[in-house]
Amino acid sequence: AQSVTQPDIHITVSEGASLELRCNYSYGATPYLFWYVQSPGQGLQLLLKYFSGDTLVQGIKGFEAEFKRSQSSFNLRKPSVHWSDAAEYFCAVGSFGGGATNKLIFGTGTLLAVQP
Amino acid sequence: EAGVAQSPRYKIIEKRQSVAFWCNPISGHATLYWYQQILGQGPKLLIQFQNNGVVDDSQLPKDRFSAERLKGVDSTLKIQPAKLEDSAVYLCASSLTTRASRQETQYFGPGTRLLVL
Repeated sequence: AQSVTQPDIHITVSEGASLELRCNYSYGATPYLFWYVQSPGQGLQLLLKYFSGDTLVQGIKGFEAEFKRSQSSFNLRKPSVHWSDAAEYFCAVGSFGGGATNKLIFGTGTLLAVQP
Repeated sequence: EAGVAQSPRYKIIEKRQSVAFWCNPISGHATLYWYQQILGQGPKLLIQFQNNGVVDDSQLPKDRFSAERLKGVDSTLKIQPAKLEDSAVYLCASSLTTRASRQETQYFGPGTRLLVL
């Protein structure tokens, strides 16, 4: 069965420091991977997505993620974190069944805190 | 472009009461999703509509949950009767096309936070 694991429940980084959020997936075929961010009281906003091609994907707000098939990972990175990046981050894999079934399977999220 | 709208934003009810949530997707989006996000967990799909037809409701607790999407636009999700474990954020999302496309982006609304006492 498809699944997503985010090993880190909570991470604290200093403003200006680099960030890496881990994501491991289990999927039988070529995965379609997403990172979403959720700020308090807000819905989920798409940061970036991977379908094929270049394994290093650029997203919004200076984020990037690297797809590593051998490690079943899709880690999110940012070279310099800003205080406004404090939020919860969700990794997801697209699950496409028969017909038009099209759902996202999410990890449990990583809550990012940013210290001044 | 206006995003996905949801109402109410917050709702507190007692167990065994009923509650309904409303979602208005992005204009022109054919596919609509309802997700349930329990505290400490990632969102889980409850139901997917394509226009006004149900595509996937395999994880919808049909004994108490119901959803409809009349005219292929707005949607309502209802819980009757509510249980304590239904306390969660209910997220609505929409995507543009009717085909199951791996390149489809789902756009999420702000969610409705439900507390069942």
